[in-house]
Amino acid sequence: DTAVSQTPKYLVTQMGNDKSIKCEQNLGHDTMYWYKQDSKKFLKIMFSYNNKELIINETVPNRFSPKSPDKAHLNLHINSLELGDSAVYFCASSSLTSASTDTQYFGPGTRLTVL
Amino acid sequence: GESVGLHLPTLSVQEGDNSIINCAYSNSASDYFIWYKQESGKGPQFIIDIRSNMDKRQGQRVTVLLNKTVKHLSLQIAATQPGDSAVYFCAENIRKRSNYQLIWGAGTKLIIKP
Repeated sequence: DTAVSQTPKYLVTQMGNDKSIKCEQNLGHDTMYWYKQDSKKFLKIMFSYNNKELIINETVPNRFSPKSPDKAHLNLHINSLELGDSAVYFCASSSLTSASTDTQYFGPGTRLTVL
Repeated sequence: GESVGLHLPTLSVQEGDNSIINCAYSNSASDYFIWYKQESGKGPQFIIDIRSNMDKRQGQRVTVLLNKTVKHLSLQIAATQPGDSAVYFCAENIRKRSNYQLIWGAGTKLIIKP
């Protein structure tokens, strides 16, 4: 009954490949996020979706394409993987972004290693 | 610019002692702040939050203090236990266009010495 789940937990792949990470939340939240955490633990938001619509799109290469089939799922597809894409990717969800006091709930993370 | 930063990247404390983790922010318009705890191999987990109309809020063994005059936030953990070992992040919720977005600090690693 995990609130925010991600698959896979570990992903090792070669440079140039295309891969996807899946995220699902069972909290009934309207908003979902993707974050990238580097080796120094710095968390950077990549995307945010509210009811399947993109609302935040930070400076991320267009090799990264989020897909939200419904408001409980937000998948991340990455084309032409590069060494610098190696990081831990976190999915998160929250009930809404129009309030200043919203709390985000995080998944367990996906550790991506590009060789 | 907007930033949320931490004074100490690593903090070592003796088990049983109190821990204080500090955080500075620069956006004076921020009205909501959150502390998250990230254990090894896991995602960040909500600990405690505070609104800008408060200067102190207490939880179970944790207290958050907010000083808006100097834009400073701190997390105090009482009677530190081995399970408190983690990276702690402060974050401020700022308004961007019609939505709010969390701006994260760099994180402080808390190490508990036996």
